Amino acid sequence: SYVLTQPPSVSVAPGKTARITCGGNNIGSEPVHWYQQKPGQAPVLVIYYDSDRPSGIPERFSGSNSGSTATLTISRVEAGDEADYYCQVWDGSRDRVFGGGTKLIVL
Amino acid sequence: QVQLVESGGGVVQPGKSLRLSCAASGFTFSNYAMHWVRQAPGKGLEWVAAISYDGSNSEYADSVKGRFIISRDNSKNTLYLQMKSLRAEDSAVYYCARVETVDILTGYFDYWGQGTLVTVSS
Repeated sequence: SYVLTQPPSVSVAPGKTARITCGGNNIGSEPVHWYQQKPGQAPVLVIYYDSDRPSGIPERFSGSNSGSTATLTISRVEAGDEADYYCQVWDGSRDRVFGGGTKLIVL
Repeated sequence: QVQLVESGGGVVQPGKSLRLSCAASGFTFSNYAMHWVRQAPGKGLEWVAAISYDGSNSEYADSVKGRFIISRDNSKNTLYLQMKSLRAEDSAVYYCARVETVDILTGYFDYWGQGTLVTVSS
């Protein structure tokens, strides 16, 4: 089965840059989407098709995807960015659509 | 504005059935594929099922295949999830979510409901 691997947590100081990775076999050949989920809330789309931002999402959020790793980059991190982040890929395998999630901790 | 409102969750005994509903508004429901995604307490997101824009095609995660049925009524702008033979491991918040395409197993989830909690316990 296809596995999407994310680090359980990433810590970053305010104002710095956070990078959250999503690893998978040849993931660069598939579109990757990213979601932010704050406690008690539904997920929110923050990046689609590797690097596009929905309206209303700050330019501080960006994405890339190549080879075996997709990356969500959050620049000038703010306290309000603290949340869980999930990558999502459709690869034909139905048992792994989302990565395991990464908790972003703002120090 | 797009709204997705789930209902039907609750506490149910193992082996019993439950039907979830998702009322859609603010967009042309019949133009979009729809999905159910669940999240067990303290765990990550798990895709459950998908249905095409016209209901002609559906897909399921292996963990629910043969027990859950996804359906839709485009005349009522409503998505359903019929859950049978429920297990403790089915306990989760169930979200309905829209994808930006008509086809299933493609695209991204651009709108989510707030979720409905299902607890399977004796």
